[in-house]
Amino acid sequence: NAGVTQTPKFQVLKTGQSMTLQCAQDMNHEYMSWYRQDPGMGLRLIHYSVGAGITDQGEVPNGYNVSRSTTEDFPLRLLSAAPSQTSVYFCASRSLSDTQYFGPGTRLTVL
Amino acid sequence: GESVGLHLPTLSVQEGDNSIINCAYSNSASDYFIWYKQESGKGPQFIIDIRSNMDKRQGQRVTVLLNKTVKHLSLQIAATQPGDSAVYFCAENLGGYQKVTFGTGTKLQVIP
Repeated sequence: NAGVTQTPKFQVLKTGQSMTLQCAQDMNHEYMSWYRQDPGMGLRLIHYSVGAGITDQGEVPNGYNVSRSTTEDFPLRLLSAAPSQTSVYFCASRSLSDTQYFGPGTRLTVL
Repeated sequence: GESVGLHLPTLSVQEGDNSIINCAYSNSASDYFIWYKQESGKGPQFIIDIRSNMDKRQGQRVTVLLNKTVKHLSLQIAATQPGDSAVYFCAENLGGYQKVTFGTGTKLQVIP
């Protein structure tokens, strides 16, 4: 199993640009989440999904959209990037009875 | 508001000694706690968890202690090794399985 994979590893955007961060898992997990991690802070939940077709907002959802058309994939879309969205983004997945597995992260810089 | 926090931002430990990383939580309704390890440039990795109906749980070289009376959680690492150098996060599970609130992290530095 590859576990949780994320692409790209690094990305630089200009203010106002849009992009999609990709996340995939091959463990058939029902739950998937997106977090952001800022210097000196813990991870904060952006959006999460409890299954295909079901998504919900986390602690810091503004400026981000998600969808879950398949069990495997959970992309995160930045609609109009802002410097405040400069962060490291982690995707995670888990089954009902297991712990969360995190991807390696995407480091995003918005100029 | 209620939050999960850590007492020390950085902890330096001699190789071979035991490490203790502390965490305070303020939500008395929390019933599930997790410790994660995050190495530089990587995502968090599960270490050990504990439910509120327990006060101690042991893993391989790690022990988590939970004191619900004072809302305190600790992670003990026995015989600390250079590979243990990382940031350690405690987290509490609120509002169901999926919502996990993380603390700010403690950086553990192992001195050879």
